[in-house]
Amino acid sequence: QQPVQSPQAVILREGEDAVINCSSSKALYSVHWYRQKHGEAPVFLMILLKGGEQKGHDKISASFNEKKQQSSLYLTASQLSYSGTYFCGTESRYGQNFVFGPGTRLSVLP
Amino acid sequence: DVKVTQSSRYLVKRTGEKVFLECVQDMDHENMFWYRQDPGLGLRLIYFSYDVKMKEKGDIPEGYSVSREKKERFSLILESASTNQTSMYLCASRTSGRRYNEQFFGPGTRLTVL
Repeated sequence: QQPVQSPQAVILREGEDAVINCSSSKALYSVHWYRQKHGEAPVFLMILLKGGEQKGHDKISASFNEKKQQSSLYLTASQLSYSGTYFCGTESRYGQNFVFGPGTRLSVLP
Repeated sequence: DVKVTQSSRYLVKRTGEKVFLECVQDMDHENMFWYRQDPGLGLRLIYFSYDVKMKEKGDIPEGYSVSREKKERFSLILESASTNQTSMYLCASRTSGRRYNEQFFGPGTRLTVL
């Protein structure tokens, strides 16, 4: 079942912060975050694993609440280059049942 | 760097034609994926292959089939293309057996069925 993302879209000014949320109705093993710029392929940002491990960009942070099956992506001091659509992807068991959310469109204005 | 390539960036076909979309990765990844991307619906999984000659249906397999004869290549086949298969198709690959198993995407093929 597809995870739910919120908000659907957000508009920021350069330097502002944003939070994008992802929630699932299933118990999760991992949450992935990807960013897709217009006309390009999605690019990996972060992976958060059950148990607290994570790997990703040093300028982007995220959290994973295993009890609530929720993850949040924190974009601080946003730059123009942060614009794009952000997708979360969830996995209920390692290597299985991977599914992407519908995406959150982020626009950063000068 | 991992490289995932797809045979065409843009493709135009007619209703009823057989269509082949090819994907090749150069990092010896075990797992490969085909997704379809439509506005507002995100990336929906069509088929997944966890190794050579192995495949599993995703969320929307109807009207599609796949082939994985070699580890580096994963093909998506539309047996008889229809207009509702007009979409962006994305291929991805990833390793297995590691805790951090992010996916690497190809550039996509925008297919138009007339």
